[in-house]
Amino acid sequence: DAKTTQPTSMDCAEGRAANLPCNHSTISGNEYVYWYRQIHSQGPQYIIHGLKNNETNEMASLIITEDRKSSTLILPHATLRDTAVYYCIVVNSNSGYALNFGKGTSLLVTP
Amino acid sequence: GAVVSQHPSWVICKSGTSVKIECRSLDFQATTMFWYRQFPKQSLMLMATSNEGSKATYEQGVEKDKFLINHASLTLSTLTVTSAHPEDSSFYICSASEGQKFNEKLFFGSGTQLSVL
Repeated sequence: DAKTTQPTSMDCAEGRAANLPCNHSTISGNEYVYWYRQIHSQGPQYIIHGLKNNETNEMASLIITEDRKSSTLILPHATLRDTAVYYCIVVNSNSGYALNFGKGTSLLVTP
Repeated sequence: GAVVSQHPSWVICKSGTSVKIECRSLDFQATTMFWYRQFPKQSLMLMATSNEGSKATYEQGVEKDKFLINHASLTLSTLTVTSAHPEDSSFYICSASEGQKFNEKLFFGSGTQLSVL
């Protein structure tokens, strides 16, 4: 599976959009970009995933660059409860569901 | 949405004893379940993959005789930490998928904090 690079930490003011970048420059054509988050001492929570088109759901938007080498997770109106570690994971469709979590980005939403 | 229930949430045991952790899929049948371990301030590390009715597949470096996994039904997988020692103290998390089809999301349990004295 392609390796991902994320900033270690980010801050965001409550009510503002949080834009979390992820670099996956070695991604191949059959690999998806998944985003999960983990609130302290809880199990990870699925956020969104995509292949090449931008995606939006009730939680977030995922913007994937045209060359697919990077993506951005957007939380449009961050709340204090969005404080968590966010993981960007590239998953090969042939390797099944076993997710290899990197170090992620620790997002702190401040009042 | 689909729910994965993990029990217990936390457990404290004496060194040398065994601890069993249960992972249940509440509203779907999980053909595959995954077990992860997470040490403080570190990321999740995949320990093993279990498929219903067959032996689990362990990641390199994970002792299969120490971490016994049983996936006897489509809604239940158990992880037993045998002869636990203080270095086994960790946050254990299970996850489940509904089928073999890719492009689906995984559902995670809430985790079990194991403390071995």
